[in-house]
Amino acid sequence: AQKVTQAQTEISVVEKEDVTLDCVYETRDTTYYLFWYKQPPSGELVFLIRRNSFDEQNEISGRYSWNFQKSTSSFNFTITASQVVDSAVYFCALSEAYNTDKLIFGTGTRLQVFP
Amino acid sequence: EAEVAQSPRYKITEKSQAVAFWCDPISGHATLYWYRQILGQGPELLVQFQDESVVDDSQLPKDRFSAERLKGVDSTLKIQPAELGDSAMYLCASSPIKYGELFFGEGSRLTVL
Repeated sequence: AQKVTQAQTEISVVEKEDVTLDCVYETRDTTYYLFWYKQPPSGELVFLIRRNSFDEQNEISGRYSWNFQKSTSSFNFTITASQVVDSAVYFCALSEAYNTDKLIFGTGTRLQVFP
Repeated sequence: EAEVAQSPRYKITEKSQAVAFWCDPISGHATLYWYRQILGQGPELLVQFQDESVVDDSQLPKDRFSAERLKGVDSTLKIQPAELGDSAMYLCASSPIKYGELFFGEGSRLTVL
Protein backbone atom coordinates (compact mmCIF):
# COMPACT_ATOMS: atom_id res chain seq x y z
CA ALA A 1 0.00 0.00 0.00
CA GLN A 2 1.06 3.56 -0.57
CA LYS A 3 2.11 5.58 2.42
CA VAL A 4 3.88 8.85 3.10
CA THR A 5 5.51 9.49 6.45
CA GLN A 6 6.51 12.88 7.73
CA ALA A 7 7.93 12.11 11.15
CA GLN A 8 8.54 15.73 12.11
CA THR A 9 5.29 17.14 13.42
CA GLU A 10 6.60 20.61 14.13
CA ILE A 11 9.90 22.42 13.63
CA SER A 12 10.84 25.82 14.98
CA VAL A 13 13.81 27.79 13.73
CA VAL A 14 15.10 31.31 13.90
CA GLU A 15 15.19 33.35 10.73
CA LYS A 16 18.18 32.70 8.47
CA GLU A 17 18.67 29.18 9.73
CA ASP A 18 18.59 26.32 7.26
CA VAL A 19 15.93 23.68 7.84
CA THR A 20 15.25 20.26 6.33
CA LEU A 21 11.85 18.64 6.24
CA ASP A 22 11.91 14.86 5.97
CA CYS A 23 9.66 12.69 3.85
CA VAL A 24 9.72 8.90 3.56
CA TYR A 25 7.40 7.06 1.22
CA GLU A 26 6.26 3.51 0.53
CA THR A 27 5.00 2.17 -2.77
CA ARG A 28 5.17 -1.08 -4.69
CA ASP A 29 5.20 0.62 -8.06
CA THR A 30 8.30 1.41 -10.05
CA THR A 31 6.66 4.45 -11.63
CA TYR A 32 5.36 7.08 -9.27
CA TYR A 33 5.45 10.80 -8.57
CA LEU A 34 6.43 12.72 -5.48
CA PHE A 35 5.28 16.20 -4.52
CA TRP A 36 5.67 18.91 -1.95
CA TYR A 37 2.88 21.34 -1.13
CA LYS A 38 2.86 24.34 1.21
CA GLN A 39 -0.20 25.25 3.28
CA PRO A 40 0.02 28.78 4.71
CA PRO A 41 -2.39 29.95 7.42
CA SER A 42 -4.90 31.05 4.78
CA GLY A 43 -5.57 27.39 4.06
CA GLU A 44 -4.98 26.80 0.36
CA LEU A 45 -2.30 24.32 -0.55
CA VAL A 46 0.33 25.64 -2.90
CA PHE A 47 2.21 23.34 -5.27
CA LEU A 48 5.99 23.48 -4.87
CA ILE A 49 7.49 20.61 -6.83
CA ARG A 50 6.81 17.34 -8.64
CA ARG A 51 9.36 14.59 -9.20
CA ASN A 52 8.95 11.35 -11.11
CA SER A 53 10.55 8.15 -9.91
CA PHE A 54 13.02 8.04 -12.77
CA ASP A 55 14.52 11.41 -12.07
CA GLU A 56 16.78 11.34 -9.04
CA GLN A 57 18.52 14.58 -9.76
CA ASN A 58 18.36 17.02 -6.92
CA GLU A 59 16.59 20.27 -7.66
CA ILE A 60 17.17 23.79 -6.46
CA SER A 61 14.76 26.69 -6.80
CA GLY A 62 15.97 29.82 -5.07
CA ARG A 63 16.18 29.06 -1.36
CA TYR A 64 14.40 25.72 -1.81
CA SER A 65 16.09 22.45 -2.64
CA TRP A 66 14.93 18.87 -2.79
CA ASN A 67 16.90 15.66 -2.30
CA PHE A 68 15.37 12.51 -3.81
CA GLN A 69 16.97 9.19 -2.86
CA LYS A 70 15.27 6.05 -4.10
CA SER A 71 17.65 3.85 -2.10
CA THR A 72 16.16 5.18 1.14
CA SER A 73 12.70 6.05 -0.27
CA SER A 74 13.12 9.62 0.83
CA PHE A 75 12.29 12.97 -0.71
CA ASN A 76 13.56 15.64 1.66
CA PHE A 77 13.02 19.37 1.37
CA THR A 78 15.52 21.98 2.53
CA ILE A 79 14.90 25.67 2.98
CA THR A 80 18.09 27.72 3.09
CA ALA A 81 18.21 30.95 5.05
CA SER A 82 14.65 30.58 6.27
CA GLN A 83 12.34 33.58 6.46
CA VAL A 84 9.26 34.33 8.53
CA VAL A 85 7.15 34.01 5.37
CA ASP A 86 8.19 30.36 5.15
CA SER A 87 6.08 29.61 8.22
CA ALA A 88 3.44 27.11 7.08
CA VAL A 89 2.54 23.46 7.08
CA TYR A 90 4.41 21.50 4.44
CA PHE A 91 3.02 18.32 2.95
CA CYS A 92 4.81 15.62 1.05
CA ALA A 93 2.64 13.55 -1.29
CA LEU A 94 2.83 10.52 -3.56
CA SER A 95 0.87 9.38 -6.59
CA GLU A 96 1.14 6.28 -8.72
CA ALA A 97 1.28 5.99 -12.46
CA TYR A 98 -2.21 4.49 -12.82
CA ASN A 99 -3.76 7.69 -11.46
CA THR A 100 -1.25 10.47 -11.36
CA ASP A 101 -3.85 12.88 -10.01
CA LYS A 102 -4.66 10.86 -6.90
CA LEU A 103 -2.32 12.23 -4.26
CA ILE A 104 -1.61 10.44 -1.00
CA PHE A 105 -0.51 13.06 1.49
CA GLY A 106 1.62 12.74 4.58
CA THR A 107 0.48 14.26 7.85
CA GLY A 108 2.50 17.41 7.30
CA THR A 109 5.25 19.27 9.12
CA ARG A 110 4.45 22.61 10.68
CA LEU A 111 7.36 24.99 10.26
CA GLN A 112 7.57 28.08 12.42
CA VAL A 113 10.22 30.62 11.60
CA PHE A 114 10.79 33.21 14.30
CA PRO A 115 12.35 36.61 13.66
CA GLU B 1 -5.46 35.08 -3.59
CA ALA B 2 -6.59 31.58 -4.58
CA GLU B 3 -8.34 31.33 -7.92
CA VAL B 4 -10.36 28.28 -7.03
CA ALA B 5 -13.43 29.70 -5.31
CA GLN B 6 -15.13 27.89 -2.46
CA SER B 7 -18.08 28.75 -0.28
CA PRO B 8 -18.92 28.98 2.46
CA ARG B 9 -15.57 29.52 4.17
CA TYR B 10 -16.98 28.45 7.49
CA LYS B 11 -20.03 26.39 8.37
CA ILE B 12 -21.30 25.39 11.79
CA THR B 13 -24.12 22.91 11.87
CA GLU B 14 -25.75 20.48 14.23
CA LYS B 15 -25.47 16.76 13.70
CA SER B 16 -28.15 15.22 11.51
CA GLN B 17 -28.49 18.44 9.52
CA ALA B 18 -27.70 18.73 5.83
CA VAL B 19 -24.78 20.82 4.60
CA ALA B 20 -23.51 21.73 1.15
CA PHE B 21 -20.26 23.15 -0.16
CA TRP B 22 -19.71 24.79 -3.52
CA CYS B 23 -16.60 25.01 -5.65
CA ASP B 24 -15.82 26.96 -8.80
CA PRO B 25 -12.55 25.76 -10.34
CA ILE B 26 -10.14 27.73 -12.45
CA SER B 27 -11.64 28.34 -15.86
CA GLY B 28 -10.68 25.66 -18.34
CA HIS B 29 -9.59 23.09 -15.77
CA ALA B 30 -11.20 19.80 -16.70
CA THR B 31 -10.29 17.94 -13.52
CA LEU B 32 -11.84 18.81 -10.17
CA TYR B 33 -11.18 17.23 -6.78
CA TRP B 34 -12.74 17.32 -3.34
CA TYR B 35 -10.39 16.57 -0.47
CA ARG B 36 -11.15 16.33 3.24
CA GLN B 37 -8.53 17.46 5.74
CA ILE B 38 -9.07 16.53 9.37
CA LEU B 39 -7.21 18.74 11.83
CA GLY B 40 -3.60 17.66 12.12
CA GLN B 41 -3.73 15.34 9.14
CA GLY B 42 -3.01 15.53 5.45
CA PRO B 43 -5.77 15.94 2.88
CA GLU B 44 -7.59 12.80 1.77
CA LEU B 45 -9.22 12.52 -1.65
CA LEU B 46 -12.98 12.12 -1.50
CA VAL B 47 -13.91 12.41 -5.17
CA GLN B 48 -12.28 13.25 -8.50
CA PHE B 49 -14.14 14.49 -11.57
CA GLN B 50 -12.98 14.62 -15.15
CA ASP B 51 -15.40 17.08 -16.75
CA GLU B 52 -18.78 15.90 -15.42
CA SER B 53 -17.77 12.27 -14.89
CA VAL B 54 -16.60 10.75 -11.63
CA VAL B 55 -13.13 9.24 -12.00
CA ASP B 56 -12.59 8.12 -8.42
CA ASP B 57 -14.97 8.20 -5.47
CA SER B 58 -13.63 5.18 -3.64
CA GLN B 59 -13.08 7.17 -0.44
CA LEU B 60 -16.44 8.97 -0.48
CA PRO B 61 -18.83 7.75 2.26
CA LYS B 62 -21.70 7.29 -0.13
CA ASP B 63 -24.32 6.67 2.51
CA ARG B 64 -24.17 10.33 3.51
CA PHE B 65 -21.95 12.16 1.04
CA SER B 66 -22.76 13.08 -2.53
CA ALA B 67 -20.96 15.15 -5.13
CA GLU B 68 -21.95 16.43 -8.51
CA ARG B 69 -20.50 18.48 -11.33
CA LEU B 70 -23.46 18.66 -13.66
CA LYS B 71 -22.12 20.89 -16.42
CA GLY B 72 -18.48 20.02 -15.96
CA VAL B 73 -17.69 23.37 -14.40
CA ASP B 74 -18.62 24.10 -10.78
CA SER B 75 -19.30 21.39 -8.24
CA THR B 76 -21.28 20.78 -5.08
CA LEU B 77 -20.43 18.44 -2.23
CA LYS B 78 -23.29 17.54 0.09
CA ILE B 79 -23.41 15.81 3.44
CA GLN B 80 -26.70 14.51 4.78
CA PRO B 81 -26.97 13.87 7.65
CA ALA B 82 -23.86 15.45 9.12
CA GLU B 83 -22.09 13.58 11.92
CA LEU B 84 -19.64 14.81 14.54
CA GLY B 85 -16.78 13.05 12.75
CA ASP B 86 -17.40 15.10 9.62
CA SER B 87 -15.84 18.16 11.25
CA ALA B 88 -12.95 19.00 8.94
CA MET B 89 -11.72 21.32 6.21
CA TYR B 90 -13.16 20.49 2.81
CA LEU B 91 -10.77 21.48 0.07
CA CYS B 92 -11.55 21.80 -3.59
CA ALA B 93 -8.83 21.68 -6.21
CA SER B 94 -8.62 21.76 -9.98
CA SER B 95 -6.01 20.82 -12.51
CA PRO B 96 -5.45 21.61 -16.18
CA ILE B 97 -3.16 18.67 -16.78
CA LYS B 98 -2.29 15.39 -15.22
CA TYR B 99 0.61 14.60 -12.90
CA GLY B 100 -0.60 16.16 -9.72
CA GLU B 101 -0.11 19.89 -10.09
CA LEU B 102 -3.30 20.81 -8.33
CA PHE B 103 -4.57 24.30 -7.60
CA PHE B 104 -6.42 24.45 -4.31
CA GLY B 105 -9.07 26.77 -2.96
CA GLU B 106 -8.97 28.13 0.58
CA GLY B 107 -11.33 25.46 1.81
CA SER B 108 -14.59 25.27 3.69
CA ARG B 109 -14.23 24.58 7.38
CA LEU B 110 -17.08 22.52 8.79
CA THR B 111 -17.85 22.21 12.47
CA VAL B 112 -20.53 19.75 13.48
CA LEU B 113 -21.96 20.23 16.99
